[in-house]
Amino acid sequence: EDQVTQSPEALRLQEGESSSLNCSYTVSGLRGLFWYRQDPGKGPEFLFTLYSAGEEKEKERLKATLTKKESFLHITAPKPEDSATYLCAVRSNQAGTALIFGKGTTLSVSS
Amino acid sequence: GAVVSQHPSWVICKSGTSVKIECRSLDFQATTMFWYRQFPKQSLMLMATSNEGSKATYEQGVEKDKFLINHASLTLSTLTVTSAHPEDSSFYICSAIENRGRETQYFGPGTRLLVL
Repeated sequence: EDQVTQSPEALRLQEGESSSLNCSYTVSGLRGLFWYRQDPGKGPEFLFTLYSAGEEKEKERLKATLTKKESFLHITAPKPEDSATYLCAVRSNQAGTALIFGKGTTLSVSS
Repeated sequence: GAVVSQHPSWVICKSGTSVKIECRSLDFQATTMFWYRQFPKQSLMLMATSNEGSKATYEQGVEKDKFLINHASLTLSTLTVTSAHPEDSSFYICSAIENRGRETQYFGPGTRLLVL
């Protein structure tokens, strides 16, 4: 069974304190790993897609990396506006076009 | 680009009434759209996959007669919650696949439904 696990559930950082969020996955043939950001009361906002081990993507203070078992979302020198829930999702051969989501990591950045 | 809209953004209705939620892809065509439900502080739960011109595929445990999905065009899918009850109160989010490149899935802003 395809499964996605995110850790930690919640993370509190001081402004400027870099850290990483983890997404571990078990799937029957990975067809893509996706990172989204979700603010309270809003729909998820697309951040990155990774397709193969070793691939990396960057956007401003965020950098996503992928191995054969997990993905990391690195946040460098975060700011309060980076506070949100970060969702990881995978698409697998078994699930077709649907995404399988993890439960998310809620990040709080204080100034 | 790749914008998905939903209407309404929130709705309050009486128990027993039906509510229709629209999901539109504004700047791309979407053969496939998805409907999710999200409870407070929980992740997204896939309800159904909607394919243009054919019947929706519902996830296990989702009542297809209660949650009617219509995907009549390449830019519009609708979710109708029939005979709504308080337990149907939730945050409903749609998404659409952009069939350019590698099939990225983009989400709408969500619709908050409160059934009294």
